Amino acid sequence: GNSVTQMEGPVTLSEEAFLTINCTYTATGYPSLFWYVQYPGEGLQLLLKATKADDKGSNKGFEATYRKETTSFHLEKGSVQVSDSAVYFCALSVPGGYNKLIFGAGTRLAVHP
Amino acid sequence: GAVVSQHPSWVICKSGTSVKIECRSLDFQATTMFWYRQFPKQSLMLMATSNEGSKATYEQGVEKDKFLINHASLTLSTLTVTSAHPEDSSFYICSARSEYEQFFGPGTRLTVL
Repeated sequence: GNSVTQMEGPVTLSEEAFLTINCTYTATGYPSLFWYVQYPGEGLQLLLKATKADDKGSNKGFEATYRKETTSFHLEKGSVQVSDSAVYFCALSVPGGYNKLIFGAGTRLAVHP
Repeated sequence: GAVVSQHPSWVICKSGTSVKIECRSLDFQATTMFWYRQFPKQSLMLMATSNEGSKATYEQGVEKDKFLINHASLTLSTLTVTSAHPEDSSFYICSARSEYEQFFGPGTRLTVL
């Protein structure tokens, strides 16, 4: 079946540190991959996405590359800010079936000044 | 980006009563909406896919008579938790799909006493 596994949190970093949140997936067919972010008290927001192998999604300094050979979509940012503190969800969707999303467990990131 | 609202944001009810949660897409029409359930420190679990004007498609293990979904218009879907029990206490999140992306509501926290 289809599933997403991401690293457990919380991840605690100092401001300007490098961030990596690991995400691996299992899927039938050729999924699209997503990172969503949930800030406190808000709904999930799409952070970035990639629709095919070797695509790189990027937004707000965050990047993730669709690696088919390792079935991974790790999230990275070179220099985190306090405002990046949130919960990050890796997700996939497979073609057909309304493109429903399958989420990982979420990783909480806390960035301290 | 597009906005999806949920009402109420939180609700406390007695065991055996029914609770209705509304999900609205505020600035776009959504033929497809999704309902998720999120347990503490866990991922979002898709409960059902709601299509305007037709019956909802429920995920395996979700009781359709327990969780009634109505998608009466292109901007409104409702989830009714019937005869709620304490084990139904959870965070319920809806999303609405536009042509290219899913937009998420802020969630509704249900507590059943």
